[in-house]
Amino acid sequence: GQNIDQPTEMTATEGAIVQINCTYQTSGFNGLFWYQQHAGEAPTFLSYNVLDGLEEKGRFSSFLSRSKGYSYLLLKELQMKDSASYLCAVRGPGSARQLTFGSGTQLTVLP
Amino acid sequence: DTEVTQTPKHLVMGMTNKKSLKCEQHMGHRAMYWYKQKAKKPPELMFVYSYEKLSINESVPSRFSPECPNSSLLNLHLHALQPEDSALYLCASTWGDREKLFFGSGTQLSVL
Repeated sequence: GQNIDQPTEMTATEGAIVQINCTYQTSGFNGLFWYQQHAGEAPTFLSYNVLDGLEEKGRFSSFLSRSKGYSYLLLKELQMKDSASYLCAVRGPGSARQLTFGSGTQLTVLP
Repeated sequence: DTEVTQTPKHLVMGMTNKKSLKCEQHMGHRAMYWYKQKAKKPPELMFVYSYEKLSINESVPSRFSPECPNSSLLNLHLHALQPEDSALYLCASTWGDREKLFFGSGTQLSVL
């Protein structure tokens, strides 16, 4: 099975940098996704890591350490529109059908 | 076209009603999914169709009945639901096993 932990809530200030952590314990690992979800809307894909290291995509970066079962999502130059829930999701062995989501981190960006 | 389209966006139904949720994608994706999401909770997988065949049913009650008429369409038939079934129902698709999920905007379902 999969066990995924992330903080429930975080608050940060516009223009700042925030790091959202995700730890996981899994019976198999085949990649980690980060999704952003605004209230009442569908999750949207942010990043995918399957190898150790940092993936950068504009203001968003994601890091993975497979040996530590650890990932983080780094958001730079925060904007008000970044206020959303951020979901860490782990894909188990076999296929994307086994994608398991963490409970999400609700990020609030303050002016 | 890089969208997954779901209809209706909102649905209110009684416990004796029969209704259907619809999902459509024209990206040529071969796997389609139904997820259920309660407020402030993560999406929970319900069903997976791979090449139009049901490949995963995550112990979902029979009052939810999925259907995949063709590779672009996915339906979820609802019958005799309970108030606790009220949730956001998300459809998603992927090209292959190693690809990211594309989500539709969901159907917000309320069962009275």
